Amino acid sequence: QKEVEQNSGPLSVPEGAIASLNCTYSDRGSQSFFWYRQYSGKSPELIMFIYSNGDKEDGRFTAQLNKASQYVSLLIRDSQPSDSATYLCAVNSAGRRALTFGSGTRLQVQP
Amino acid sequence: KAGVTQTPRYLIKTRGQQVTLSCSPISGHRSVSWYQQTPGQGLQFLFEYFSETQRNKGNFPGRFSGRQFSNSRSEMNVSTLELGDSALYLCASSPTPDGKNSPLHFGNGTRLTVT
Repeated sequence: QKEVEQNSGPLSVPEGAIASLNCTYSDRGSQSFFWYRQYSGKSPELIMFIYSNGDKEDGRFTAQLNKASQYVSLLIRDSQPSDSATYLCAVNSAGRRALTFGSGTRLQVQP
Repeated sequence: KAGVTQTPRYLIKTRGQQVTLSCSPISGHRSVSWYQQTPGQGLQFLFEYFSETQRNKGNFPGRFSGRQFSNSRSEMNVSTLELGDSALYLCASSPTPDGKNSPLHFGNGTRLTVT
């Protein structure tokens, strides 16, 4: 079992729709959770981070964390073609300084 | 504020050679981490430096090494290059090594091709 799992996609949504990206993790000691966006040929860009159970909103983005279910998600409202990218989930576990990344979900927003 | 700067952007080397990659963190950031990204393995942690000391190391052979200078700039070195070392090498910085309160900010990466 991978430490951080994501569906590779592609996840295809129409412009204006809500895109829902999911991530599960195996280490119950995980403390902090990050979402990065990576455009093709570019480096990962931090979108959001969340530490506590519940929702955290930032503009069109909402991160949701459920530690009991070991599940973190990212919702993108009013999806735009410019949101088309690979979204990486990353987890930081207690006692470990390194982030563990999922393999990423490719999102395609259709105009 | 300038972002994380990595040089060079592209490198082509042959098997058996060695290579040194450079990273300048965001001003004020003292923690520097290195990651390797390949299509097959995704993003994998190489090592992390803080205050010129390696604080954590990933599961890579000893051919991969690094160091950090007093101004927080970092270099990583790969010796005896193998074809499988072809990858995008990403440097990331954060103010402190405390991952919870210090999200990583990535540079543009160095794309290494080994022929």
